Amino acid sequence: QQQVKQSPQSLIVQKGGIPIINCAYENTAFDYFPWYQQFPGKGPALLIAIRPDVSEKKEGRFTISFNKSAKQFSLHIMDSQPGDSATYFCAASGEAGGTSYGKLTFGQGTILTVHP
Amino acid sequence: EAQVTQNPRYLITVTGKKLTVTCSQNMNHEYMSWYRQDPGLGLRQIYYSMNVEVTDKGDVPEGYKVSRKEKRNFPLILESPSPNQTSLYFCASSPGNPTSGQYFGPGTRLTVT
Repeated sequence: QQQVKQSPQSLIVQKGGIPIINCAYENTAFDYFPWYQQFPGKGPALLIAIRPDVSEKKEGRFTISFNKSAKQFSLHIMDSQPGDSATYFCAASGEAGGTSYGKLTFGQGTILTVHP
Repeated sequence: EAQVTQNPRYLITVTGKKLTVTCSQNMNHEYMSWYRQDPGLGLRQIYYSMNVEVTDKGDVPEGYKVSRKEKRNFPLILESPSPNQTSLYFCASSPGNPTSGQYFGPGTRLTVT
């Protein structure tokens, strides 16, 4: 049972395009939603994260949009570059004191390819 | 250099032969965790530890054991490995709050024949 569902599985865009990766969750106790970026042969690295009290967070070319009522969040990469080619994972974790605190549930991952 | 180290990086073993994958971090982090990564499934949490002597099950703990006797080390033990435990394993750590962003190790590729 996958509590965080991610789509698409793979995505190909041209340089300068705006890839969008979507995630949906079921557990309403989740209150922390990070995105991780993974390059081949490396461990994942935190890219950006959001909490449900805001609907959008932007860091550089990366933006998270969050829709609490729909239980969905997405990653947008503005002006994508070939160096952004990687696997992206969304994840979710629960609030302190809750049963999901300490656990980090990942989506299935999206392989992004940005062509020059 | 602040880092999470894992050993071995690659391991091929046979069914039933006990093995341990070590994980160590030099950042004085309280929280540590183990994940396995499989194609199409993303990363799935095996066990995590909020502090020394405190461990909890993640989503896929069956067939694995962990211990946290020291803050810096969090070994993953497979008492009787089976082929379905063939996977890429990652250890991660973070400061006291597990939601403060985790630092991942380089991974251990395990093959069980």
